[in-house]
Amino acid sequence: ETGVTQSPTHLIKTRGQQVTLRCSSQSGHNTVSWYQQALGQGPQFIFQYYREEENGRGNFPPRFSGLQFPNYSSELNVNALELDDSALYLCASSPGTSIHSGANVLTFGAGSRLTVL
Amino acid sequence: DQQVKQNSPSLSVQEGRISILNCDYTNSMFDYFLWYKKYPAEGPTFLISISSIKDKNEDGRFTVFLNKSAKHLSLHIVPSQPGDSAVYFCAAPRTGNQFYFGTGTSLTVIP
Repeated sequence: ETGVTQSPTHLIKTRGQQVTLRCSSQSGHNTVSWYQQALGQGPQFIFQYYREEENGRGNFPPRFSGLQFPNYSSELNVNALELDDSALYLCASSPGTSIHSGANVLTFGAGSRLTVL
Repeated sequence: DQQVKQNSPSLSVQEGRISILNCDYTNSMFDYFLWYKKYPAEGPTFLISISSIKDKNEDGRFTVFLNKSAKHLSLHIVPSQPGDSAVYFCAAPRTGNQFYFGTGTSLTVIP
């Protein structure tokens, strides 16, 4: 069973540029969530995609956008990069969106570390 | 506004002793809590959870305690092992399985 894979693992951009991060969900998972983890902080929820539709969004500006594809893989796009966007971006997949079944805990990838100069 | 708080950035314990990691939350409506563990260069992995209808959940060496009146939960690891050295995050759902995470506690277990 393949886990969650993210690419690229590291990248460096300059302010004002755009970046696309990619995530392949675990086999059998139809839900992908994206989190931003700044240095010294916990992961912060950006948004979630369920069956190719956005299913919730955290407190992030519209320049953070995403997509989910029919195979349930996903992309995170960030436009007009700012220095504060430097962070580890974590993708997580799950077989659904509820939690009370106990089966929909998140499976995380290792993350993409973005540095904005 | 930090909904889930871990006030201890780091903790060191001797191998074999108990590790206690603490987490406080602000929203009394939270009905489920989770702990994740993160090793360097890896993504967080699910460790243990607890529903708000319980005050304790145990899984091997790991036990989570929930004190709803104090809005506090704790993770106990007994006995602690060097392989437990990692960053531990507590989390609560904003809705469904979209989570608020704490800032993490870095646990070091000294052999």
